[in-house]
Amino acid sequence: EAQVTQNPRYLITVTGKKLTVTCSQNMNHEYMSWYRQDPGLGLRQIYYSMNVEVTDKGDVPEGYKVSRKEKRNFPLILESPSPNQTSLYFCASSSGREGVSNEQFFGPGTRLTVL
Amino acid sequence: SQQGEEDPQALSIQEGENATMNCSYKTSINNLQWYRQNSGRGLVHLILIRSNEREKHSGRLRVTLDTSKKSSSLLITASRAADTASYFCATDPRGTYKYIFGTGTRLKVLA
Repeated sequence: EAQVTQNPRYLITVTGKKLTVTCSQNMNHEYMSWYRQDPGLGLRQIYYSMNVEVTDKGDVPEGYKVSRKEKRNFPLILESPSPNQTSLYFCASSSGREGVSNEQFFGPGTRLTVL
Repeated sequence: SQQGEEDPQALSIQEGENATMNCSYKTSINNLQWYRQNSGRGLVHLILIRSNEREKHSGRLRVTLDTSKKSSSLLITASRAADTASYFCATDPRGTYKYIFGTGTRLKVLA
Protein backbone atom coordinates (compact mmCIF):
# COMPACT_ATOMS: atom_id res chain seq x y z
CA GLU A 1 0.00 0.00 0.00
CA ALA A 2 1.31 3.43 -1.00
CA GLN A 3 1.79 5.46 2.13
CA VAL A 4 3.72 7.99 4.17
CA THR A 5 4.52 6.88 7.70
CA GLN A 6 5.59 8.99 10.66
CA ASN A 7 6.92 8.00 14.04
CA PRO A 8 6.16 8.59 16.78
CA ARG A 9 2.51 9.55 16.49
CA TYR A 10 2.47 11.18 19.90
CA LEU A 11 5.37 12.58 21.88
CA ILE A 12 5.62 14.51 25.13
CA THR A 13 9.06 15.84 25.94
CA VAL A 14 10.81 18.53 27.94
CA THR A 15 12.51 21.71 26.86
CA GLY A 16 15.99 21.16 25.45
CA LYS A 17 15.86 17.39 24.98
CA LYS A 18 16.82 16.61 21.38
CA LEU A 19 14.30 14.60 19.41
CA THR A 20 13.80 13.22 15.92
CA VAL A 21 10.53 12.54 14.14
CA THR A 22 10.95 10.05 11.34
CA CYS A 23 9.15 10.11 8.00
CA SER A 24 9.25 7.45 5.33
CA GLN A 25 7.46 7.01 2.00
CA ASN A 26 7.26 3.96 -0.25
CA MET A 27 6.23 5.68 -3.49
CA ASN A 28 9.70 6.61 -4.77
CA HIS A 29 8.74 10.29 -4.57
CA GLU A 30 11.35 12.94 -5.18
CA TYR A 31 9.72 15.74 -3.16
CA MET A 32 9.24 15.52 0.60
CA SER A 33 8.17 18.17 3.05
CA TRP A 34 7.47 18.88 6.71
CA TYR A 35 4.62 21.06 7.96
CA ARG A 36 3.37 22.18 11.31
CA GLN A 37 -0.29 22.85 11.98
CA ASP A 38 -1.43 25.22 14.69
CA PRO A 39 -5.01 26.34 15.46
CA GLY A 40 -6.09 29.23 13.29
CA LEU A 41 -2.86 29.20 11.27
CA GLY A 42 -3.42 26.31 8.90
CA LEU A 43 -0.34 24.42 7.74
CA ARG A 44 3.01 26.11 7.50
CA GLN A 45 5.92 24.57 5.67
CA ILE A 46 9.05 23.99 7.75
CA TYR A 47 11.50 22.41 5.28
CA TYR A 48 11.28 20.63 1.98
CA SER A 49 13.52 18.42 -0.11
CA MET A 50 13.57 18.17 -3.88
CA ASN A 51 15.65 14.97 -3.85
CA VAL A 52 18.45 13.21 -2.02
CA GLU A 53 20.88 15.69 -0.42
CA VAL A 54 18.77 18.65 -1.62
CA THR A 55 16.89 20.47 1.11
CA ASP A 56 15.66 24.03 1.58
CA LYS A 57 13.82 26.17 4.10
CA GLY A 58 10.10 26.69 4.10
CA ASP A 59 8.38 29.54 5.87
CA VAL A 60 9.08 28.53 9.48
CA PRO A 61 12.46 26.71 9.63
CA GLU A 62 13.80 28.22 12.87
CA GLY A 63 14.55 25.59 15.49
CA TYR A 64 14.38 22.65 13.06
CA LYS A 65 16.82 20.61 11.01
CA VAL A 66 16.29 18.01 8.33
CA SER A 67 18.36 15.60 6.30
CA ARG A 68 17.72 13.57 3.13
CA LYS A 69 20.33 10.85 2.89
CA GLU A 70 17.98 8.36 1.26
CA LYS A 71 15.10 9.00 -1.11
CA ARG A 72 12.50 7.34 1.10
CA ASN A 73 13.37 9.01 4.43
CA PHE A 74 13.15 12.61 5.59
CA PRO A 75 13.61 12.97 9.36
CA LEU A 76 12.78 16.16 11.24
CA ILE A 77 15.20 17.03 14.02
CA LEU A 78 14.57 19.37 16.93
CA GLU A 79 17.98 19.93 18.52
CA SER A 80 16.67 21.90 21.51
CA PRO A 81 12.87 21.85 21.58
CA SER A 82 11.00 24.73 23.16
CA PRO A 83 7.34 25.03 24.21
CA ASN A 84 6.51 27.12 21.11
CA GLN A 85 7.26 24.03 19.03
CA THR A 86 4.30 22.25 20.56
CA SER A 87 2.25 21.48 17.48
CA LEU A 88 0.85 18.87 15.11
CA TYR A 89 3.46 17.91 12.53
CA PHE A 90 2.84 16.41 9.11
CA CYS A 91 5.22 14.89 6.62
CA ALA A 92 4.22 14.78 2.96
CA SER A 93 5.64 13.55 -0.32
CA SER A 94 4.91 14.01 -3.99
CA SER A 95 6.34 13.01 -7.32
CA GLY A 96 6.95 16.60 -8.34
CA ARG A 97 9.54 17.01 -11.00
CA GLU A 98 11.39 20.28 -11.13
CA GLY A 99 8.93 22.98 -12.07
CA VAL A 100 5.90 20.70 -12.00
CA SER A 101 3.93 20.14 -8.85
CA ASN A 102 1.62 17.27 -8.12
CA GLU A 103 -0.60 16.14 -5.32
CA GLN A 104 1.03 15.60 -1.98
CA PHE A 105 0.47 12.48 0.08
CA PHE A 106 0.37 13.16 3.80
CA GLY A 107 1.40 11.10 6.76
CA PRO A 108 -0.96 10.63 9.74
CA GLY A 109 0.67 13.36 11.82
CA THR A 110 2.79 13.55 14.97
CA ARG A 111 1.39 15.42 17.94
CA LEU A 112 4.29 16.93 19.86
CA THR A 113 4.07 18.54 23.28
CA VAL A 114 7.12 20.30 24.71
CA LEU A 115 6.87 21.06 28.43
CA SER B 1 3.50 35.99 6.10
CA GLN B 2 2.85 34.43 2.72
CA GLN B 3 -0.08 32.46 3.96
CA GLY B 4 -3.21 32.30 1.88
CA GLU B 5 -6.58 33.05 3.33
CA GLU B 6 -9.82 31.21 3.06
CA ASP B 7 -13.32 32.30 3.76
CA PRO B 8 -15.51 31.64 5.39
CA GLN B 9 -13.58 30.29 8.36
CA ALA B 10 -16.54 28.10 9.22
CA LEU B 11 -19.63 27.03 7.32
CA SER B 12 -22.65 25.07 8.48
CA ILE B 13 -25.20 23.76 5.98
CA GLN B 14 -27.93 21.16 5.65
CA GLU B 15 -27.38 17.90 3.85
CA GLY B 16 -28.19 18.26 0.16
CA GLU B 17 -27.21 21.92 -0.01
CA ASN B 18 -24.20 23.21 -1.88
CA ALA B 19 -21.11 24.47 -0.05
CA THR B 20 -18.84 27.13 -1.46
CA MET B 21 -15.54 28.15 0.03
CA ASN B 22 -13.02 30.65 -1.26
CA CYS B 23 -9.27 30.96 -1.22
CA SER B 24 -7.11 34.00 -1.87
CA TYR B 25 -3.36 34.00 -2.34
CA LYS B 26 -0.65 36.58 -2.75
CA THR B 27 1.79 35.66 -5.51
CA SER B 28 1.82 34.21 -9.01
CA ILE B 29 1.47 30.45 -8.88
CA ASN B 30 2.07 27.31 -10.90
CA ASN B 31 -0.92 25.41 -9.55
CA LEU B 32 -3.56 25.49 -6.86
CA GLN B 33 -4.71 22.43 -4.98
CA TRP B 34 -7.53 21.70 -2.55
CA TYR B 35 -7.17 19.30 0.36
CA ARG B 36 -9.52 17.90 2.93
CA GLN B 37 -8.72 17.10 6.56
CA ASN B 38 -10.88 15.11 8.93
CA SER B 39 -10.46 16.09 12.56
CA GLY B 40 -6.68 16.38 13.00
CA ARG B 41 -5.81 13.58 10.61
CA GLY B 42 -3.57 13.77 7.56
CA LEU B 43 -4.71 15.81 4.60
CA VAL B 44 -6.18 14.15 1.54
CA HIS B 45 -5.79 15.62 -1.92
CA LEU B 46 -9.05 16.53 -3.67
CA ILE B 47 -8.24 18.34 -6.88
CA LEU B 48 -5.46 20.26 -8.64
CA ILE B 49 -6.00 23.13 -11.06
CA ARG B 50 -3.13 24.52 -13.09
CA SER B 51 -2.58 28.24 -13.53
CA ASN B 52 -3.66 28.13 -17.19
CA GLU B 53 -6.98 26.47 -16.32
CA ARG B 54 -10.10 28.35 -15.23
CA GLU B 55 -12.39 25.58 -14.09
CA LYS B 56 -12.15 21.93 -13.22
CA HIS B 57 -14.62 19.27 -12.12
CA SER B 58 -14.23 16.06 -10.20
CA GLY B 59 -17.37 14.24 -9.14
CA ARG B 60 -19.33 16.62 -6.87
CA LEU B 61 -16.44 19.08 -6.76
CA ARG B 62 -16.06 22.13 -8.94
CA VAL B 63 -13.03 24.37 -8.67
CA THR B 64 -12.54 27.73 -10.32
CA LEU B 65 -9.36 29.76 -10.55
CA ASP B 66 -9.07 33.47 -11.30
CA THR B 67 -5.38 34.33 -11.54
CA SER B 68 -6.09 38.01 -12.14
CA LYS B 69 -7.79 38.20 -8.75
CA LYS B 70 -5.49 35.62 -7.17
CA SER B 71 -8.45 33.64 -5.93
CA SER B 72 -10.08 30.25 -6.21
CA SER B 73 -13.34 28.71 -5.11
CA LEU B 74 -14.32 25.17 -4.24
CA LEU B 75 -17.94 24.16 -4.69
CA ILE B 76 -19.23 20.91 -3.21
CA THR B 77 -22.64 20.08 -4.63
CA ALA B 78 -25.33 18.02 -2.91
CA SER B 79 -23.34 17.87 0.32
CA ARG B 80 -23.43 14.88 2.64
CA ALA B 81 -22.76 14.50 6.35
CA ALA B 82 -19.55 12.69 5.39
CA ASP B 83 -18.29 15.91 3.78
CA THR B 84 -17.91 17.40 7.27
CA ALA B 85 -14.21 18.30 7.46
CA SER B 86 -11.77 21.17 7.10
CA TYR B 87 -10.81 22.22 3.59
CA PHE B 88 -7.52 23.86 2.65
CA CYS B 89 -6.18 25.39 -0.51
CA ALA B 90 -2.49 25.15 -1.28
CA THR B 91 -0.44 27.04 -3.84
CA ASP B 92 3.08 26.66 -5.11
CA PRO B 93 4.41 30.14 -5.90
CA ARG B 94 6.08 30.49 -9.25
CA GLY B 95 9.87 30.38 -9.02
CA THR B 96 9.90 28.41 -5.77
CA TYR B 97 9.43 24.83 -4.70
CA LYS B 98 7.46 25.80 -1.62
CA TYR B 99 3.83 25.17 -0.79
CA ILE B 100 1.67 27.80 0.86
CA PHE B 101 -1.50 26.62 2.57
CA GLY B 102 -4.54 28.66 3.40
CA THR B 103 -5.92 28.85 6.91
CA GLY B 104 -8.80 26.53 6.07
CA THR B 105 -12.60 26.43 6.10
CA ARG B 106 -14.36 24.20 8.62
CA LEU B 107 -17.43 22.71 6.97
CA LYS B 108 -20.18 21.09 8.96
CA VAL B 109 -22.95 19.31 7.09
CA LEU B 110 -26.01 18.63 9.21
CA ALA B 111 -28.01 15.48 8.53
